[in-house]
Amino acid sequence: DIQMTQSPSSVSASVGDRVTITCRASQGISSWLAWYQQKPGKAPKLLIYAASSLQSGVPSRFSGSGSGTDFTLTISSLQPEDFATYYCQQAKSFPQTFGGGTKVEIK
Amino acid sequence: EVQLVESGGGLVKPGGSLRLSCAVSGFTFSSYTMNWVRQAPGKGLEWVSSISSSSSYIHYADSVKGRFTISRDNAKNSLYLQMNSLRAEDTSVYYCARVRIIDSAPYFVYWGQGTLVTVSS
Repeated sequence: DIQMTQSPSSVSASVGDRVTITCRASQGISSWLAWYQQKPGKAPKLLIYAASSLQSGVPSRFSGSGSGTDFTLTISSLQPEDFATYYCQQAKSFPQTFGGGTKVEIK
Repeated sequence: EVQLVESGGGLVKPGGSLRLSCAVSGFTFSSYTMNWVRQAPGKGLEWVSSISSSSSYIHYADSVKGRFTISRDNAKNSLYLQMNSLRAEDTSVYYCARVRIIDSAPYFVYWGQGTLVTVSS
């Protein structure tokens, strides 16, 4: 199985800050990576697919980059509605595995 | 509007069984691969099972293989998960999710609201 490791596990930030979350795959997954946002009590929401493609309706302050084993999700200017937990997911092969999550908290 | 509505969750004793359902609307159900993804309380996401549009291809996580069975009824626009021999570690919110295939890779685009399964004596 491909293991996905996210860091940090949590980050404290202020509105307007730039936030970067990283995800590392245990083996190369090309660009077959997605990022999801989840708020408490809600289902996850797809933000980024194919490592860097923005899902329809997602604000442009979210961006993704990387390929192979190392990936990054960046929020360019954190907004109040962005405080949530973020997960990466590899889509290269079964089982489709998720990272452990990064909780973005208010500083 | 795409909607996925799970049902069938509840409290069950270890070793018991439960059948989850996911009723969908707003898209041509028979054209899409569907999945179950679960989340234990306070924990991360875990993919559980996948079924292709015609049920030809089915995959399971090792943690549920041999105990869970995914199925679908395209005439009823419904997805199912039969869960047998349930264990405490199966306690989770179970989400059904529709994928979008991009460059042969599946991404979970639409999710239901989830149904809670609690396995406890």
